Amino acid sequence: NSKVIQTPRYLVKGQGQKAKMRCIPEKGHPVVFWYQQNKNNEFKFLINFQNQEVLQQIDMTEKRFSAECPSNSPCSLEIQSSEAGDSALYLCASSGFAEQFFGPGTRLTVL
Amino acid sequence: GQQVKQSSPSLTVQEGGILILNCDYENDMFDYFAWYKKYPDNSPTLLISVRSNVDKREDGRFTVFLNKSGKHFSLHITASQPEDTAVYLCAADQGGSAKLIFGEGTKLTVSS
Repeated sequence: NSKVIQTPRYLVKGQGQKAKMRCIPEKGHPVVFWYQQNKNNEFKFLINFQNQEVLQQIDMTEKRFSAECPSNSPCSLEIQSSEAGDSALYLCASSGFAEQFFGPGTRLTVL
Repeated sequence: GQQVKQSSPSLTVQEGGILILNCDYENDMFDYFAWYKKYPDNSPTLLISVRSNVDKREDGRFTVFLNKSGKHFSLHITASQPEDTAVYLCAADQGGSAKLIFGEGTKLTVSS
């Protein structure tokens, strides 16, 4: 069973508002991923970290999102100015360079 | 284009039956292949996975077969149960810290 913790489970924001979600990876997992899952079960990779360093991110994440994985603190993903199209399930996964285990997700609704 | 493809959007099987879920991929660099199970409104749960240095891995009722030359991997489920009803997602990546690429999912229904 996954030990990845994500908070909050649900988040409702108005357009233009900031939306921030957090993830505590499984202990001992140095790699953290954020994915966006839409209602059609399509997964979009957003960004990943190894320890505190960004490994890879997509263009959208670079422009409108900010993410970090500080040492001894939860990882976070923040949308600077929410848009209706950002409504989705945001999944955090952690990995020890092998399998990726997912947290329960934060369901964001942008009104 | 879609790098990982599941050809069957949905499947129905009788309880106790055997079923096979298929996944095709395009990227020769993929090194790790996984099947996840997902219930509605839940996140994916890792079911079984295999690295490219083996062509089969078995775990109870679940077996994954990898055909690297055909760029294809499959999940075989035996003695299917109603609790197996879920969406099954195949995924692959280049190993290490690489991102997972998911297929579109196959919705499986096991009828009793």
